Amino acid sequence: AQKVTQAQTEISVVEKEDVTLDCVYETRDTTYYLFWYKQPPSGELVFLIRRNSFDEQNEISGRYSWNFQKSTSSFNFTITASQVVDSAVYFCALSEGGGTSYGKLTFGQGTILTVHP
Amino acid sequence: EAGVAQSPRYKIIEKRQSVAFWCNPISGHATLYWYQQILGQGPKLLIQFQNNGVVDDSQLPKDRFSAERLKGVDSTLKIQPAKLEDSAVYLCASSLETQVPWTGYGYTFGSGTRLTVV
Repeated sequence: AQKVTQAQTEISVVEKEDVTLDCVYETRDTTYYLFWYKQPPSGELVFLIRRNSFDEQNEISGRYSWNFQKSTSSFNFTITASQVVDSAVYFCALSEGGGTSYGKLTFGQGTILTVHP
Repeated sequence: EAGVAQSPRYKIIEKRQSVAFWCNPISGHATLYWYQQILGQGPKLLIQFQNNGVVDDSQLPKDRFSAERLKGVDSTLKIQPAKLEDSAVYLCASSLETQVPWTGYGYTFGSGTRLTVV
């Protein structure tokens, strides 16, 4: 069975600090996909990134970067120079790419990020 | 491109009443998902449709929850009778893909329906 663990329940930082959100996953499949979503107070899930299990290259998008390490089953998310608008709940999710589980996203518990001015 | 539409946005009902939520996926998306997100938790899949057939409903509490996707487009999720623990946000998502290998491309969530059972 697949599982996602976000050990940090809440993180509080001051604006312009860098912050890393941890994500550890478990799966028996060799083909799988990892996601990060942002959920602002309005409630919608905003897609941030999708990464497949065969692509271990780190990715950077503006102030956001992701570190994927299969050896430790981790897919961590870093926000550089955080801003108040980054305050939200962030979810890491996993989906196996084959079998009848295709498309089923298993989410972590979420990390509440609060960025203070 | 229009996103996944859900209604109503909010709903407050008393326990033991019934309630229904509606979802209209992105045009052409064959696969539709309903998730339940209880406060403080990540979303959990309730049911997955491919066109108008059920792919996975193993997590759906079938004694009180039902869902249908007539004609393979819109979907309705119903709770009857509602319990206090059903208070949650119900999210609908849709995806273009219908088979493995699945890549997750274009997987899109709606804004959700926030249900409060009192």
